[in-house]
Amino acid sequence: GENVEQHPSTLSVQEGDSAVIKCTYSDSASNYFPWYKQELGKRPQLIIDIRSNVGEKKDQRIAVTLNKTAKHFSLHITETQPEDSAVYFCAASLYSSASKIIFGSGTRLSIRP
Amino acid sequence: NAGVTQTPKFQVLKTGQSMTLQCAQDMNHEYMSWYRQDPGMGLRLIHYSVGAGITDQGEVPNGYNVSRSTTEDFPLRLLSAAPSQTSVYFCASSYSGQGGSYEQYFGPGTRLTVT
Repeated sequence: GENVEQHPSTLSVQEGDSAVIKCTYSDSASNYFPWYKQELGKRPQLIIDIRSNVGEKKDQRIAVTLNKTAKHFSLHITETQPEDSAVYFCAASLYSSASKIIFGSGTRLSIRP
Repeated sequence: NAGVTQTPKFQVLKTGQSMTLQCAQDMNHEYMSWYRQDPGMGLRLIHYSVGAGITDQGEVPNGYNVSRSTTEDFPLRLLSAAPSQTSVYFCASSYSGQGGSYEQYFGPGTRLTVT
């Protein structure tokens, strides 16, 4: 089955700097890659997702890149702000099986003032 | 819409007891899933369903049962609770969204402690 590895497990960046979180997946058939943000004590929420027929997707300060050949994808957050502090999860699934989403182990991002 | 609801919010069980975690959604989503969240281990898929009457195992199904008799409800049953099942449990629902997004809508979670 699918296995998703995520790193780093913790990341601390200065406010205004960029943050990058990287994930790899094992199943070459996976074709849908979402990213979720979980604030302390709250439920995970989708922040951006990408399909395998797209190499990059942007939404304001966040972007995701996908390298299908290498089976890895990354989340980029630019101009970080205090409200970006949270745990971020990458995930992978088959587009045809939207309820079987496999998550990475998470990255705790801290923004230093 | 209430979205995805879960009951109870908190539960303490003794080893060997059984119980059912309730999950309901009012968005007419065809897909539903159960996850457990443990520190440092992310969200692990327990069971999932692609529609009423159809369920399948995820990454960590042992010790848990599910059923999906209606589109709205997806209860998770712990057969004989063990301390290793102490965790936060999230239910989620999703649908075939326009533009190719399969956003998972998570419930608020149930914090379960097994002593």
